[in-house]
Amino acid sequence: EPEVTQTPSHQVTQMGQEVILRCVPISNHLYFYWYRQILGQKVEFLVSFYNNEISEKSEIFDDQFSVERPDGSNFTLKIRSTKLEDSAMYFCASSLYREQPQHFGDGTRLSIL
Amino acid sequence: GQQLNQSPQSMFIQEGEDVSMNCTSSSIFNTWLWYKQDPGEGPVLLIALYKAGELTSNGRLTAQFGITRKDSFLNISASIPSDVGIYFCAGQDSNAGNNRKLIWGLGTSLAVNP
Repeated sequence: EPEVTQTPSHQVTQMGQEVILRCVPISNHLYFYWYRQILGQKVEFLVSFYNNEISEKSEIFDDQFSVERPDGSNFTLKIRSTKLEDSAMYFCASSLYREQPQHFGDGTRLSIL
Repeated sequence: GQQLNQSPQSMFIQEGEDVSMNCTSSSIFNTWLWYKQDPGEGPVLLIALYKAGELTSNGRLTAQFGITRKDSFLNISASIPSDVGIYFCAGQDSNAGNNRKLIWGLGTSLAVNP
């Protein structure tokens, strides 16, 4: 069964450094998402992406965050200058159509030191 | 903003018992989804509900979309050890323009005693 794949599984970064989290959505899907889950808290929406542009973003997704679909397969989340509070699990998801369920990758655990 | 209240927060049951968990919302959703998350993995879709009143089964799992569109429940019958994990409800308001984001509950942590 097709899967959403995310790399790396764990990223450790010094505060203030840039980090790029990578995702390969399911190949024929059209809608892409990033969520994060701080330890012990609920999953939070960050951003949705369709037709090569952001459809919606949350208040968490400030100027330090950006997303890109650099080619036909990858979908990346960049954090420009990481902060301690960016430490979380980051999940990528994709769906075929807007109404279809979102399928999630296994996440990248981001640890900011 | 939209919020989901999921209960119970945790459950500890004996193998073979039935389980029930539910979510309530402060606002209407057009889609309810139930996911399960195992340690170190991403959420895996269990059941998707699209219509008010809809009752859908997936093996031993049954979920219903409340008539008011503000609630949903998930039942697991005859639990087994591999049912252990965290169960999340998520709501989606598909009619709100481009708003496709999922609003998540806090999860129900299920432990099953063999």
